[in-house]
This record gives sequence, C-alpha cells and structure tokens, in this order.
Amino acid sequence: DTEVTQTPKHLVMGMTNKKSLKCEQHMGHRAMYWYKQKAKKPPELMFVYSYEKLSINESVPSRFSPECPNSSLLNLHLHALQPEDSALYLCASGRTSGRANEQFFGPGTRLTVL
Amino acid sequence: KNQVEQSPQSLIILEGKNCTLQCNYTVSPFSNLRWYKQDTGRGPVSLTIMTFSENTKSNGRYTATLDADTKQSSLHITASQLSDSASYICVVSAGRGSTLGRLYFGRGTQLTVWP
Repeated sequence: DTEVTQTPKHLVMGMTNKKSLKCEQHMGHRAMYWYKQKAKKPPELMFVYSYEKLSINESVPSRFSPECPNSSLLNLHLHALQPEDSALYLCASGRTSGRANEQFFGPGTRLTVL
Repeated sequence: KNQVEQSPQSLIILEGKNCTLQCNYTVSPFSNLRWYKQDTGRGPVSLTIMTFSENTKSNGRYTATLDADTKQSSLHITASQLSDSASYICVVSAGRGSTLGRLYFGRGTQLTVWP
C-alpha cells in the first residue's frame, strides 16, 4: 500500500459542531503532517507528528486538535470552527531515513464551515 | 528568507504542444526539490524529486532540471494532454537532515491545456 487515505472527502459543518478528519497510511512512515490549503494558495503547515508525538504546532488555534493514536493514523478534531476555516485539509506522511523529508500527500478533505 | 518563486503564474497551451515552467528558490541549506501536480480540490502528487547532485530527472512526459548553483529549476512537459491541466507546484526542502525538515512551497503555475 503506497498511498495516504483521508476521510471524509467532503465535510460541511456548522460553527457549533464537533467533527473529526481522519488520515491513514500503511507505508511505515513515522512522520505525519496536517496542512491547510486555501484556494489558489500553497499548502500551509499546521502540525507535525514524529513517532506519534506532536513535534510542531504552527501556532494553530485550539479549535483544531490533532491526535495520533498510532503510527498509521492521524486525526484532526474540529470544534467551534469559523467560516474562514473553510479550506482543503491535506494529510501527508514521510519516512525517517533515506530520502528524508519526502512527503506523500493524501487526496484531502474539503471542509466547508457554515 | 527562504522563498520559492514560480513563473509564469498561469499558462494556456494547445494540446500536443510543449511547455516549460520555472522555479527559483532561496532556501538554504538545500536538501531536495520536487515538482508536484495538483488537480483542483485534490492533494498534490509527486512528479519528480531531485537532490543537490542531480541535474535532470524524467518521469514520462515530464522532465525536471536543477541548477543548484543558480538555484533554479524547470519542469518541461512534452506533447501536452488535456489531463495535464492542473497546478504545478515547486517545493524545496531545507537540508536540516531531519525528517521534520520544512517544505517551502511555491504558489504554483496553473496550466490549462486546450483541445
């Protein structure tokens, strides 16, 4: 299995809802990432997990809460989001040796906050 | 400041024609450079990845070049197809020798191929 999967593909939620985005990879990668991408802009790094531990939080608001239950799974819990949080959320994974920093992206979750 | 600049911002070509996209970067220290293809609303897909010592790398109709001295890269697409319509993003990785090395993204070139 050489791909990163993300669910759901699309998500519409209200500002009072609680939802979660899920990401999974079975390539044995030990680094996993969350990015946010607005239309016609490059992806912006949000969080980095290394060996299931949060190593980078790019000053992301607390209404976004990441979780890494195991080396294959990465979640992003959403609560009390704002309409400006509507974007494409991308998950990526990377190896720990060899071609360091090569990241493989999932197809993304298109999030709309009403 | 670590930056990646791409040109042109957008490009329209006819099916079957060739085109070349440009990328200039100031990221230092340099680790590698990749070109991604991103269809609208989808995640980026890697086309090529090049390290400091590599000058050219091909992937089917895509050929990437790298000049580490001038910090420039190009992506050449030959015999374009309608399915090549997408955003092409240049991404440079900082060489900190860590799996947590940051990726610096260009803003992409939006390519449209017309029949």
